[in-house]
Amino acid sequence: KNEVEQSPQNLTAQEGEFITINCSYSVGISALHWLQQHPGGGIVSLFMLSSGKKKHGRLIATINIQEKHSSLHITASHPRDSAVYICAVQSFGNEKLTFGTGTRLTIIP
Amino acid sequence: DVKVTQSSRYLVKRTGEKVFLECVQDMDHENMFWYRQDPGLGLRLIYFSYDVKMKEKGDIPEGYSVSREKKERFSLILESASTNQTSMYLCASSLYTYEQYFGPGTRLTVT
Repeated sequence: KNEVEQSPQNLTAQEGEFITINCSYSVGISALHWLQQHPGGGIVSLFMLSSGKKKHGRLIATINIQEKHSSLHITASHPRDSAVYICAVQSFGNEKLTFGTGTRLTIIP
Repeated sequence: DVKVTQSSRYLVKRTGEKVFLECVQDMDHENMFWYRQDPGLGLRLIYFSYDVKMKEKGDIPEGYSVSREKKERFSLILESASTNQTSMYLCASSLYTYEQYFGPGTRLTVT
């Protein structure tokens, strides 16, 4: 079973700062997901990637398959980015995900 | 837009009660999932269904059962609720091995 580690567990930053959240996993995967969970519970899928880099607005996700590592970056952070960010990995041919425990991000105005 | 809805946002039940949590998705997805989320433990899979009447146990199925009689609906059943089943329950659906879409969650308290 894949182990998924996220760091840091908690991150507080000032508005406008560049944010990096890291995710490492132990076994080869077919895809890695980044999810966002706002207070109140709802989870939204941000990215699903299997190689390279994806960008959506101020969010960038990268993955290094050889290093078994992914990063989520937020440029020009804003208080509305405050949320829990969750990394999850998917094995080959498997619909199920293994989740990290999340990174709680707080952006102070 | 995919919509996944759950029957209740908040639920309070007594120990020993039978509890039904319902999840409905409107995008004809084959796969549906039930998770529980607890502080420090992340999301853990309770059950997974890949088709009508088909199910697979997840990582923590003990104390739970599921039902999928129609493609759009996946129910989680707590046969006899216990206090250690107090948690946030999240349903999700997906098309094959693509991204999962989550419902808003049900916060269940068992007293």
